[in-house]
Amino acid sequence: GENVEQHPSTLSVQEGDSAVIKCTYSDSASNYFPWYKQELGKGPQLIIDIRSNVGEKKDQRIAVTLNKTAKHFSLHITETQPEDSAVYFCAANGRNRDDKIIFGKGTRLHILP
Amino acid sequence: NAGVMQNPRHLVRRRGQEARLRCSPMKGHSHVYWYRQLPEEGLKFMVYLQKENIIDESGMPKERFSAEFPKEGPSILRIQQVVRGDSAAYFCASSPSRNNEQFFGPGTRLTVL
Repeated sequence: GENVEQHPSTLSVQEGDSAVIKCTYSDSASNYFPWYKQELGKGPQLIIDIRSNVGEKKDQRIAVTLNKTAKHFSLHITETQPEDSAVYFCAANGRNRDDKIIFGKGTRLHILP
Repeated sequence: NAGVMQNPRHLVRRRGQEARLRCSPMKGHSHVYWYRQLPEEGLKFMVYLQKENIIDESGMPKERFSAEFPKEGPSILRIQQVVRGDSAAYFCASSPSRNNEQFFGPGTRLTVL
């Protein structure tokens, strides 16, 4: 069935360093890949997304890359700051590009002072 | 422009009771999605509704769960005869059209005693 795998489950980086989170998806028909940030007790917040017609997208300190052939995509956060500490989820739209979103299990990112 | 609103934020029910979770989408959004999140897990799609119609309910348990999105008023996720395994955070998201980014509410945390 449809599946999104996410690694690592936990990531600790020094403040100022970069963080990379990687995901793979199973359905080659998926064409929309959002990333969400979830802080404790809150709902997921969309931070960046990418569609399959581009290979890379950047927004200030955040960038996503997409490799359609390998069916994997990655989130890159540069110059990390304490407020980046949260759980990050990658996701992909489901079979036949329908509307439901399939989420990875999340990466808990800790920014160390 | 208010975001997606959910209420109640916390709901406690005893086994066998009914739980009603409400979601008001963002202004101008007619597409609503419900997801369930277990502790330390990603979000699992449950149902997708457009005004007065259920578009995709492939993630809904076959029994005890139902959802509606009437012409007027919020979307309702209803769980009848709750069991302990229903304890989770339930999130609603809305979007202005199909295959568009989804904006999440703060969630309802259901605890079944």
